[in-house]
Amino acid sequence: DQQVKQNSPSLSVQEGRISILNCDYTNSMFDYFLWYKKYPAEGPTFLISISSIKDKNEDGRFTVFLNKSAKHLSLHIVPSQPGDSAVYFCAASPKITQGGSEKLVFGKGTKLTVNP
Amino acid sequence: KAGVTQTPRYLIKTRGQQVTLSCSPISGHRSVSWYQQTPGQGLQFLFEYFSETQRNKGNFPGRFSGRQFSNSRSEMNVSTLELGDSALYLCASSLGGRGSAFFGQGTRLTVV
Repeated sequence: DQQVKQNSPSLSVQEGRISILNCDYTNSMFDYFLWYKKYPAEGPTFLISISSIKDKNEDGRFTVFLNKSAKHLSLHIVPSQPGDSAVYFCAASPKITQGGSEKLVFGKGTKLTVNP
Repeated sequence: KAGVTQTPRYLIKTRGQQVTLSCSPISGHRSVSWYQQTPGQGLQFLFEYFSETQRNKGNFPGRFSGRQFSNSRSEMNVSTLELGDSALYLCASSLGGRGSAFFGQGTRLTVV
């Protein structure tokens, strides 16, 4: 049972245009969401996060939107650059349990290709 | 500031053997988590350690185990290796509690 879904395995956009990566989740206990970027042969790198008390968070060219009622979040990259070409993972974290443990539940990733 | 260091980077083992992977977290980080990445399943949570105690565990068989030392370094062990254990094993460290985890480059395990 996949609790975090990234339905598009791949996305191709032109340099300078907007990239929109989508993610859906099913577990209402998730209250913190993150996006990671991964290059081949490297570990995931944290990009941006959002708490469930917000509906938008911006960091430079990256903006994450959260729609709690639809259990949907998206990552917007504007403008897209060739160096953004990588696999993007959406991750969700459930409410922190007693003891403060954090467990990330990942989607399967979307491979973004930005063409020059 | 040094990042998360995982050793070895690559490993080839035979079915039935056991393997130990090592992770050194970012200095000051007390939480270490392990994830398995496979093409079919994506990244899946294995377990998390904080101050030498396992705080959380994913849905993996008992063949997968781990531990954390007093200096926060962590090891994970897989016994009786199966072909399906071939994967990229990623370690992540954080300050503990809510926040973004920092990942190492991973150990690529191939079971033949």
